[in-house]
Amino acid sequence: DQQVKQNSPSLSVQEGRISILNCDYTNSMFDYFLWYKKYPAEGPTFLISISSIKDKNEDGRFTVFLNKSAKHLSLHIVPSQPGDSAVYFCAASVLGGGADGLTFGKGTHLIIQP
Amino acid sequence: KAGVTQTPRYLIKTRGQQVTLSCSPISGHRSVSWYQQTPGQGLQFLFEYFSETQRNKGNFPGRFSGRQFSNSRSEMNVSTLELGDSALYLCASSNRTSGLYYEQYFGPGTRLTVT
Repeated sequence: DQQVKQNSPSLSVQEGRISILNCDYTNSMFDYFLWYKKYPAEGPTFLISISSIKDKNEDGRFTVFLNKSAKHLSLHIVPSQPGDSAVYFCAASVLGGGADGLTFGKGTHLIIQP
Repeated sequence: KAGVTQTPRYLIKTRGQQVTLSCSPISGHRSVSWYQQTPGQGLQFLFEYFSETQRNKGNFPGRFSGRQFSNSRSEMNVSTLELGDSALYLCASSNRTSGLYYEQYFGPGTRLTVT
């Protein structure tokens, strides 16, 4: 049973436009959410996070939105650049540790077209 | 600051053998977590060590074990390898202390192939 779902395996966006990556979760105990970016042959790199007490967090071109009632979060990248082409993972955690560490979605492959 | 390092980067083993993977965390980080990445299951949490103690454990069989040393370096061991253990094994370190939010910093991974 997948507790964190990224329903789009891939997404193609034109350079300069907005990229929107979506993530849904089922476990209402999750209270901290993170986005990671992964290039081939490298480990995931932390991008941005948000706690459940907020509904938005911004860092440069990256903004994460959290809708707790819908159990949905999204990552917006504006403007999209060629270097943003990578696999993006959504992850969730329970404050205080929980038994499961970080729970990851299966990733969305973002392709930025020139 | 040097990042998380993992050795070896690639490994080929035969079914039934055992394997040990190594991870050196970022200096000052005391928490080390291990994850398995496969195409079908994605990234799955194996276990977390903090100050030489296993603090959390994912849903994996007892063939998967780990330990952490006093310098925070960690090793992961898989005994009696099965074909399904072929995966990318990722180590992540953080400066997490109990009850606080944290980010994990990942190493490049060890690609294990079981034949």
